[in-house]
Amino acid sequence: DAGVIQSPRHEVTEMGQEVTLRCKPISGHNSLFWYRQTMMRGLELLIYFNNNVPIDDSGMPEDRFSAKMPNASFSTLKIQPSEPRDSAVYFCASSLMTEAFFGQGTRLTVV
Amino acid sequence: GDSVTQMEGPVTLSEEAFLTINCTYTATGYPSLFWYVQYPGEGLQLLLKATKADDKGSNKGFEATYRKETTSFHLEKGSVQVSDSAVYFCALSLKTSYDKVIFGPGTSLSVIP
Repeated sequence: DAGVIQSPRHEVTEMGQEVTLRCKPISGHNSLFWYRQTMMRGLELLIYFNNNVPIDDSGMPEDRFSAKMPNASFSTLKIQPSEPRDSAVYFCASSLMTEAFFGQGTRLTVV
Repeated sequence: GDSVTQMEGPVTLSEEAFLTINCTYTATGYPSLFWYVQYPGEGLQLLLKATKADDKGSNKGFEATYRKETTSFHLEKGSVQVSDSAVYFCALSLKTSYDKVIFGPGTSLSVIP
């Protein structure tokens, strides 16, 4: 398996624009997680899904953030409108009963 | 609630020094415990794991023992190398139907020649 695949690897956008991050989990995994990592706040869990259903979105910073998982092989994290303070590395991870496997991350820069 | 606490970093060691990174946890039930490593510019990778009390996880010279009585999972390595410079995350996974993984804040390690 190719592992968890995230796209794009890097994204630079202007403040106010919509940003969509994409994730393909490992085939057969039934849990999917979105994390945000910054120097100031470390690794934060934004939302996680189980069997495509959002279980806990209490980490989502505000209404500008939304996440979907329309099927078992795809998830998106959308920020609309984006702000400079959203600049971070966003990781997607998937798991099946045990450890989580991480993607390489998307480095988002909002200018 | 369920949580993971790690020693504050950054930790700076000379090559071949002994490494200990402390990790303690709070959890209902009996979690599985993990150490992840993040090298610069990369995602997190699983380093080792233990699924029940007294289990010892080991990989690449690193070890950690699941201590239920002290709710700890300290990471150790007898002789660190420059290539071990990274951020280390302790984590737990609750044995519920939702497979939630909870991470500690991470400890940055720098090994100098």
